[in-house]
Amino acid sequence: QSALTQPASVSGSPGQSITISCTGTTSDVGSYNLVSWYQHHPGKAPKLMIFEINRRPSGVSNRFSGSKSGNTASLTISGLQAEDEADYYCCSYAGNTNWVFGGGTKLTVL
Amino acid sequence: QVQLQQSGPGLVKPSQTLSLTCAISGDSVSSSRAAWNWIRQSPSRGLEWLGRTYYRSKWSSDYAISVKSRIIINADTSKNQFSLQLNSVTPEDTAVYYCVRDSRNICTGGTCFSDWGQGTLVTVSS
Repeated sequence: QSALTQPASVSGSPGQSITISCTGTTSDVGSYNLVSWYQHHPGKAPKLMIFEINRRPSGVSNRFSGSKSGNTASLTISGLQAEDEADYYCCSYAGNTNWVFGGGTKLTVL
Repeated sequence: QVQLQQSGPGLVKPSQTLSLTCAISGDSVSSSRAAWNWIRQSPSRGLEWLGRTYYRSKWSSDYAISVKSRIIINADTSKNQFSLQLNSVTPEDTAVYYCVRDSRNICTGGTCFSDWGQGTLVTVSS
């Protein structure tokens, strides 16, 4: 059972926007600005998409953005494309040299 | 661009030791700007951070409480790689294991997991 709660699935049509939530507690998401998001196409290595809540690594499309409010972080993907179909995982620092993850959200592009 | 190449057996017997190695190209295991992690994924436990090793004037390792009593992560500078040893495994340790870099050139404000290996499915079964 994962420490952070994500919806099991979300879907959207090409061109639309979707948001994936990631709910934690005051011990993790609520206390640290160290939330990151990962895209995982099955069979491939996971890819860092967002770090420190809303920062994008070089090379990641600006269609991906992040935010946080209280104990909930969110990943928004705008202008959905077929290649965005994947599993998405959130991660937060939880103090005491420990990191926790969400259970993952399967994004389907209709 | 860093590449992480994992190797190790895909089947381990209960009570034995799981051993995996991650060979690094495009960075140095001794870099003061990186930490080297192991993360696993299983249907029952999801993604789970296991631990890391890093060099900052000396070598240090940190481990998740859940595995602290039976895990060792260390680096081999001569081969530019790092390894995972997990002792006394049970079927609960069956998972896909990933080696992962935390690069301070990317994750500038704190840890994130910037580069991942392909993953190794390890099954614990007799």
